[in-house]
Amino acid sequence: EVQLVESGGGLVQPGGSLRLSCAASGFTFSSYSMNWVRQAPGKGLEWVSYISSSSNTIYYADSVKGRFTISRDNAKNSLYLQMNSLRAEDTAVYYCARPRYCGGGSCNFDYWGQGTLVAVSS
Amino acid sequence: EIVLTQSPGTLSLSPGERATLSCRASQSISSSLAWYQQKPGQAPRLLIYGASSRATGIPDRFSGSGSGTDFTLTISRLEPEDFAVYYCQQYGTSPPTFGPGTHVDIK
Repeated sequence: EVQLVESGGGLVQPGGSLRLSCAASGFTFSSYSMNWVRQAPGKGLEWVSYISSSSNTIYYADSVKGRFTISRDNAKNSLYLQMNSLRAEDTAVYYCARPRYCGGGSCNFDYWGQGTLVAVSS
Repeated sequence: EIVLTQSPGTLSLSPGERATLSCRASQSISSSLAWYQQKPGQAPRLLIYGASSRATGIPDRFSGSGSGTDFTLTISRLEPEDFAVYYCQQYGTSPPTFGPGTHVDIK
């Protein structure tokens, strides 16, 4: 059974940093690209970042470019999101998502974690 | 960036009725469109990909159609568990983008 379990969320002050993790199991993690998608409270879904299976290709949404860094450790079946210079508008539930299909780094998603809440507030 | 527009914003229907949800893209995405269902406190669930292919385990009362810029998700007969928010998503070009969602609630 495919499982994605996020962790690392919490309350952080504006300008602060947080590192999210996603532990994957039930599939060959190293064969899949992975993504982060977020959802602000009561709002819709927003794609955040993409990383290819070998980490060779990485994309970011314009809203997080230069502040967030996606990475992975295939030996540990884990995906990460380092978030720096956090803003109030980064407050959201962050999901890691496994693609069913990707074309040019743009994917649809067939498995999602349960999400981890990041709250940016003073 | 491709903008997706969903209509209506809210659809109030009774169990057993047919639901028709629309999604329009700001430019052609061929058939690179997916539909997701999300219930409160849960992650989204993939229903449809490639505009019309049902994902694994999705009941056949869910169907998708369309190509280019205009797409439709149809739920033939609403079951109680179908009342939720539905999002369309395009993956034809980067960045992938989502529509604002359609709330399907009980009338």
